[in-house]
Amino acid sequence: DQQVKQNSPSLSVQEGRISILNCDYTNSMFDYFLWYKKYPAEGPTFLISISSIKDKNEDGRFTVFLNKSAKHLSLHIVPSQPGDSAVYFCAASDMGSGTYKYIFGTGTRLKVLA
Amino acid sequence: NAGVMQNPRHLVRRRGQEARLRCSPMKGHSHVYWYRQLPEEGLKFMVYLQKENIIDESGMPKERFSAEFPKEGPSILRIQQVVRGDSAAYFCASSASTGDTEAFFGQGTRLTVV
Repeated sequence: DQQVKQNSPSLSVQEGRISILNCDYTNSMFDYFLWYKKYPAEGPTFLISISSIKDKNEDGRFTVFLNKSAKHLSLHIVPSQPGDSAVYFCAASDMGSGTYKYIFGTGTRLKVLA
Repeated sequence: NAGVMQNPRHLVRRRGQEARLRCSPMKGHSHVYWYRQLPEEGLKFMVYLQKENIIDESGMPKERFSAEFPKEGPSILRIQQVVRGDSAAYFCASSASTGDTEAFFGQGTRLTVV
């Protein structure tokens, strides 16, 4: 039962353009969402997060949008840079349960072409 | 402030041997999580521990796998009688106590069972 889904395994974008990575979830109890970036042979690094009380959070070139009614979130990267090429994981958590565990999607491999 | 430290980075075991993976959380962090990433898959939650307590082990296989986080020392993920299917990257993450919603990941231990 995949509670967090990233349906696009890969995405290629030209440098300078916008990258949009999508994520869907099924558990309506999830109230906190995060995006992590992962390079090969390294651990995931935190990128940006959003609480369910918000619908948008911005940090520099990265913006996360949350649509609770559709159970959908997206990460926008603009402008995209070659160094952004990595695997991006979205994760969700039910903070209200007190366990703080994250459920991850399967990842989207972003390739930014120079 | 050192990040989450995992060792070893690479571990090779023969079928039937035991594997011990260690994780030292960030200084001041008392929550530890273990995740497993199989080839071409996302990160699967295994277990969530606080000092001397297992809080959530819903992702742990019922047999051969165990985890601990003692009062002193690192968290240990132990896999007994390893099989080829245990070959994966195992990531540890840590977070501070209440109110901290972001977990920091270590670089992972890549286990290869031959």
